[in-house]
Amino acid sequence: QKEVEQDPGPLSVPEGAIVSLNCTYSNSAFQYFMWYRQYSRKGPELLMYTYSSGNKEDGRFTAQVDKSSKYISLFIRDSQPSDSATYLCALDGGGGADGLTFGKGTHLIIQP
Amino acid sequence: DGGITQSPKYLFRKEGQNVTLSCEQNLNHDAMYWYRQDPGQGLRLIYYSQIVNDFQKGDIAEGYSVSREKKESFPLTVTSAQKNPTAFYLCASSPLLGTNVLTFGAGSRLTVL
Repeated sequence: QKEVEQDPGPLSVPEGAIVSLNCTYSNSAFQYFMWYRQYSRKGPELLMYTYSSGNKEDGRFTAQVDKSSKYISLFIRDSQPSDSATYLCALDGGGGADGLTFGKGTHLIIQP
Repeated sequence: DGGITQSPKYLFRKEGQNVTLSCEQNLNHDAMYWYRQDPGQGLRLIYYSQIVNDFQKGDIAEGYSVSREKKESFPLTVTSAQKNPTAFYLCASSPLLGTNVLTFGAGSRLTVL
């Protein structure tokens, strides 16, 4: 079993819909959870950063962590065509960036 | 604007040739990293460096080499020993090795003909 599982998609939804992106993991040592957004042919950019279980909100984006279930989610409200990108989860067990484990990424398409 | 510059953006190489990808940052970050991204796979760490003249192998270092002669620069050489070099290569940096928030460059796409 891989350490981090993420459905690669593509996930296609109409504009304005609520989007749910998810990652599951098996290593309970992961303490820090990040979501990166990557546009086509570009580098990833940090979108959300969370440490503890619970929710963190930033504008239309909400990151949710459930450590007991080893499940993290990213919700996008009022989705826009500009949200079309690949979303990567990244998990850290406390060792810093050299120990980051990335999901495969979910390709999201928002239909106008 | 502070950031990471990778060049070239696209590169074509014949089998058996070495190629060097450039990565320059003006963020004054100590740590720098090289990742490889393939379709359907997560980012995989090739090499990383926390200070000048020091670097460490990542998960997939075979067939690659790096140097860190200046804090701002961390070039990656893809050697002919790399069996499947066609990929998207991403350079990243962080303030310190122990921090886990990365700033990425725009990437270099290498295609072996």
